[in-house]
Amino acid sequence: DVKVTQSSRYLVKRTGEKVFLECVQDMDHENMFWYRQDPGLGLRLIYFSYDVKMKEKGDIPEGYSVSREKKERFSLILESASTNQTSMYLCASRTGTRDTGELFFGEGSRLTVL
Amino acid sequence: GESVGLHLPTLSVQEGDNSIINCAYSNSASDYFIWYKQESGKGPQFIIDIRSNMDKRQGQRVTVLLNKTVKHLSLQIAATQPGDSAVYFCAETHTGRRALTFGSGTRLQVQP
Repeated sequence: DVKVTQSSRYLVKRTGEKVFLECVQDMDHENMFWYRQDPGLGLRLIYFSYDVKMKEKGDIPEGYSVSREKKERFSLILESASTNQTSMYLCASRTGTRDTGELFFGEGSRLTVL
Repeated sequence: GESVGLHLPTLSVQEGDNSIINCAYSNSASDYFIWYKQESGKGPQFIIDIRSNMDKRQGQRVTVLLNKTVKHLSLQIAATQPGDSAVYFCAETHTGRRALTFGSGTRLQVQP
């Protein structure tokens, strides 16, 4: 089975702290994604990566950056956390170079910024 | 400014009934659609997908219908069970865009 693992299920941080959310997938997928989920707003794309060291902005990249140094790992970075970044963060991966296909999601990381 | 979450639409059905969850999309270029199920405390899980060259696709107890004329997508669940209780998301993409765009979700509650 495909497994997407997010290292932290729950985090509590203070305003201004630097936050790292880590995601690892074990199926050699080329594409990895970070989404943010808020009630009633669905999932909104923050950043994605289609290859090592490659990244593209999604719909809401402001306040975030990403790193993909290895194929299996995709990190989301909040340089200076703010209270409006309190949310559920979901990592996903997908194989191939096609634009379609199932996304496999991790269990999510719930971040609270005080 | 800080965004305020919207109320999540809820569909309540009796166990054993059929459920229909609807989704509208706005991009006429969308050519691939997918439904996800998210149970409490878990990440979304794939249910079924459909390409724009089809108008219907069936899986196990689920059917997706696509009406491109009115940009509408629906998920039908036959003989709904308590285990079907979850939030359901539709998502779409189009050629040239690698990522899915998700809808806001519908909560399905199955009453015993």
